Amino acid sequence: DAGVIQSPRHEVTEMGQEVTLRCKPISGHDYLFWYRQTMMRGLELLIYFNNNVPIDDSGMPEDRFSAKMPNASFSTLKIQPSEPRDSAVYFCASSLAGQPQHFGDGTRLSIL
Amino acid sequence: SQQGEEDPQALSIQEGENATMNCSYKTSINNLQWYRQNSGRGLVHLILIRSNEREKHSGRLRVTLDTSKKSSSLLITASRAADTASYFCATAPGGFQKLVFGTGTRLLVSP
Repeated sequence: DAGVIQSPRHEVTEMGQEVTLRCKPISGHDYLFWYRQTMMRGLELLIYFNNNVPIDDSGMPEDRFSAKMPNASFSTLKIQPSEPRDSAVYFCASSLAGQPQHFGDGTRLSIL
Repeated sequence: SQQGEEDPQALSIQEGENATMNCSYKTSINNLQWYRQNSGRGLVHLILIRSNEREKHSGRLRVTLDTSKKSSSLLITASRAADTASYFCATAPGGFQKLVFGTGTRLLVSP
């Protein structure tokens, strides 16, 4: 069984550059979540989708962040322009309604 | 802001010993979940306890829930080196899907 697949696993880029993180949820799951994990703030929910529609984006830090889910098997989280304070591990998770979430192994993002 | 606060922040034990970690939360809940995170990996769901349950078991895991104190505990019995990980509680004050995670307990089990 393939789990949630995230790419890339690591990303190092300079501030000001556009960063795109990718996620393939578990097939059949109708919820998709994007989280950010840092030492200072812990694990924060950024946005989640249901049936490809964004439901709650109240956790998105600012307009530099955007997320899309063009179809049931793919989602992106984009940061443009990136800043050093965006450095974190970004996780994607998916689930069925009312069921626990399954997490990918994350993308470790470093903005220099 | 984080809904749950875990205690202790870090715990170091020997293989075979039991590990207990606690979680306190702020608002009323329908259920509380525990997740494990191995270093460099994503979170893995361990167990869910509903608000009308007081105790739940799964293998070597035992979870208790005290809604009057807004607290939960996770007990790992007969710990193994492979249990070394961070453990997080999670609640969903805004609905089942919108999880809020605690600060986590880092568990180190030495052989």
